[in-house]
Amino acid sequence: QVQLQESGPGLVKPSETLSLTCTVSGGSISSYYWTWIRQPAGKGLEWIGRIYSSGSTNYNPSLKSRVTMSVDTSKNQFSLKLSSVTAADTAVYYCARERVGDHYYGMEVWGQGTTVTVSS
Amino acid sequence: DIQMTQSPSSVSASVGDRVTITCRASQGISSWLAWYQQKPGKAPKLLIYIASSLQSGVPSRFSGSGSGTDFTLTISSLQPEDFATYYCQQANSFPLTFGGGTKVEIK
Repeated sequence: QVQLQESGPGLVKPSETLSLTCTVSGGSISSYYWTWIRQPAGKGLEWIGRIYSSGSTNYNPSLKSRVTMSVDTSKNQFSLKLSSVTAADTAVYYCARERVGDHYYGMEVWGQGTTVTVSS
Repeated sequence: DIQMTQSPSSVSASVGDRVTITCRASQGISSWLAWYQQKPGKAPKLLIYIASSLQSGVPSRFSGSGSGTDFTLTISSLQPEDFATYYCQQANSFPLTFGGGTKVEIK
């Protein structure tokens, strides 16, 4: 079955750029939406944005000025970059596969999550 | 943004109890709603989509209902493995938003 695995630095300095990659195994990255969600410790879930396999994106307006998502179909990977990070960006970051059609089928496959701490 | 308000924020229940969690959207979202279960240290798991459709592999004791602005997630007979935090999520409009979560605790 499809599995997702986040990778990237666990520690990022303030004002720098957070970069994460999600590797898709057991299935193709094509024809799905790929989503990033984050969760600060002890808090709820925040949608960061999504990218379709074609490369089209939708971002959360609260983060839009700092977010860039990309997809590499040859590597079956998609990526998140979040610039100018502060301590408020410290969270567990999840990638997920989202299925959307005439209806909404939900975030049906999730990565295990990766903890990113912003600190000098 | 569409605000998703869950209630209660926490509930204490016993094994075998029926548990109902509500989720209210600040504006109509048709059936563009999903429910997730999250256990400590784990990623969320999809339970329900299109407001009332059971995700494959999810036990039938879980059910969802509602449309428009008011939705419910019901666990018909609580099992030990169901103690977790539950989130609703709307996908009717961007940004996608989640409810604040409902923690189901052991009584």
